[in-house]
This record gives sequence, C-alpha cells and structure tokens, in this order.
Amino acid sequence: KAGVTQTPRYLIKTRGQQVTLSCSPISGHRSVSWYQQTPGQGLQFLFEYFSETQRNKGNFPGRFSGRQFSNSRSEMNVSTLELGDSALYLCASSVNTPGELFFGEGSRLTVL
Amino acid sequence: GEDVEQSLFLSVREGDSSVINCTYTDSSSTYLYWYKQEPGAGLQLLTYIFSNMDMKQDQRLTVLLNKKDKHLSLRIADTQTGDSAIYFCAEESSNDYKLSFGAGTTVTVRA
Repeated sequence: KAGVTQTPRYLIKTRGQQVTLSCSPISGHRSVSWYQQTPGQGLQFLFEYFSETQRNKGNFPGRFSGRQFSNSRSEMNVSTLELGDSALYLCASSVNTPGELFFGEGSRLTVL
Repeated sequence: GEDVEQSLFLSVREGDSSVINCTYTDSSSTYLYWYKQEPGAGLQLLTYIFSNMDMKQDQRLTVLLNKKDKHLSLRIADTQTGDSAIYFCAEESSNDYKLSFGAGTTVTVRA
C-alpha cells in the first residue's frame, strides 16, 4: 500500500508570493491533517479535513487555507508569503481522526 | 488549550536504556502517542496508550502513564544507533479532531 505522498518536496519562494502544496493520503483514508514544523515551535496544527469538510482549524492567519477533494486528496495554500512561513509542512492521513496518523515526508518551503 | 511539554535533548550510550518524559495538561485526553522522526523524514507512529491504562509494553518500548500527574514516559531498552531521532509525544482530546504535539526530544546515541 502506497504511503502518504506530498508534492513538491522542496520549494523556494519570495516574500509576497503564494504557494500550493499537495497531499495524497493512503488509499481508504478519509481524514487529512496538516502541520507546520519549525525548529523553534515544533509541530503546529493547521487544519484537518474529513470528507471534504474542514472539521478543525489551528491558530494560523487567514493566509493559510486548505481544501479536500472527493478523492480525499488535499491541498493547502499560503498567500502573501512571509519569511516566517519558512518551514516543513507535513501532511498526515488516517482512517478516523485523530487515531493513528500516517505522515508524509513533508514539503520544505523556504521563503526568501 | 492543550499544552504538551518535553525536554529537548537526551544523550545516551549505546546499549543503555533511554527514558523520554512528557507532561500534558488536557485532562480529557483519550489517547497519548509517541512518534519518531528520523532525519529528512516525516513522523512515524511508535506506540500509543489509552488513557485508562498505566503501562504498555511493545518489544523494546515501554510506555508509562501517570494520569494523576499528567505525565507520560517512553523507555527504550538496549538503545541502538538507529534509535537516534526526534521523539514526539502527542495527546488526543476526546472532543477534537487533532493531536497536540510536544516540541520533540532529540535523542543522540553515542558509541
């Protein structure tokens, strides 16, 4: 069974740009969660989707948004990028949240 | 809100036992988890414990839960170089759709 796939793995953007990250969950997993990982803050919860509905949202500004498609694939978008958005963005899927999370390898975003 | 705290670093000699400690604040936590992150990789679930249990053993891993003190620990017996990683504890609330993670403990195994 294929694991959680995140694309792209690495990307570099400049301040003010926007970025879209993609996550394909494990087949049969309907819940997708997103986390931001930085050295100083650890893992911070962004949001969680289940059957195309956002069920929970963390304490991030409105520049951070996400969505989930009917095939459970998910995307997150960050608009008007700031230097502080540089981080590893991790996607995790599960059969039933929170349950056991299966993480992808992450998308490492660098904002210059 | 939830708050999970861990010590940031642990150095241990190969073959010794490692003990990683974690405290949490949410008394309604139903499950508590330990995840491992190796360099350049995502997190991998190691083990978990239900909140009404005191202890769970899984091969070299032993999880102890003191619910009264909201203290969780992970013991790794016979620590090997492959155990060098960041270990995260996480709590799941009974009425929320997320895990709250600690900042992670970096374990370094020295020969």
